[in-house]
Amino acid sequence: EIVLTQSPGTLSLSPGERATLSCRASQSVSSSYLAWYQQKPGQAPRLLIYGASSRATGIPDRFSGSGSGTDFSLTISRLEPEDFAVYHCLQYGSSPRTFGQGTKVEIK
Amino acid sequence: EVQLVESGGGLAQPGGSLRLSCAASGFTFSNYAMNWVRQAPGKGLEWVSYISSSSTNIYYTDSVKGRFTISRDNAKNSLYLQMNSLRDEDTAVYYCARDPYSSGLYAFNMWGQGTMVTVSS
Repeated sequence: EIVLTQSPGTLSLSPGERATLSCRASQSVSSSYLAWYQQKPGQAPRLLIYGASSRATGIPDRFSGSGSGTDFSLTISRLEPEDFAVYHCLQYGSSPRTFGQGTKVEIK
Repeated sequence: EVQLVESGGGLAQPGGSLRLSCAASGFTFSNYAMNWVRQAPGKGLEWVSYISSSSTNIYYTDSVKGRFTISRDNAKNSLYLQMNSLRDEDTAVYYCARDPYSSGLYAFNMWGQGTMVTVSS
C-alpha cells in the first residue's frame, strides 16, 4: 500500500498570501493519479485537483497542482477567507486508494 | 439536485452491528461505482469499501474484511454497508463517495454529508 505523507501539518498564513502544500508518496504514484480535496468543518471533502494538475469543475484558478512520481504539491496563489480549511491528498493509481493525513491551513 | 444522503449511523456496542444506507438522486446511479470512506474523529480519511456499478467487483480495506459487507440496489438507487462485529476503532463518520465511472480506480468526485458511527460500551 502506498503511504502518503503531507507536510506541513498546519500552515498559518494571512489572507492574500500564497500557500504551498506538499504530499510525498512512499512509492511512485502511477500515471500521476494524485488528487487534492478541501474539507471544511462538518462538511464532506470537495474535489479540487485530479491527475496531479487538472482542476475539477468549478474550482477557481488560484488552486493549482503539480508534481509527479513521489512528490506532489498544491498551491493556492492568493488565499481567500473561504480557503482556510483542511486539505487532503489521495492517490488512486494503485489499490487500495490511500489518503494523506491532511494539512490544515489556518488564519495567522 | 445531484446528491448522496447517508443514514443509519448511531451508537453500537463492541461486537454489535449497524447497517448504513446511502440514497442517491439526480443522476443515473447504476452507471457509477460507489465507495464507503470513513474519517475517525480528528483523523484523516480512509477508504473502506468499493463496489462496481453492476456489483461485479467488490473490495475492502484489510481491517474490515470478513466483518463489513457492501451492496447496492440499482432499482432503489441505494448503496449499503452492513457492519458486523464492530470494534472501537470503527468509530468514524462514514461517507458514501461516487467514482466518475462504472469501474476502475479514480478520484472520488461526489460525496455525501456523512453519518456518524460510534462504537462504545
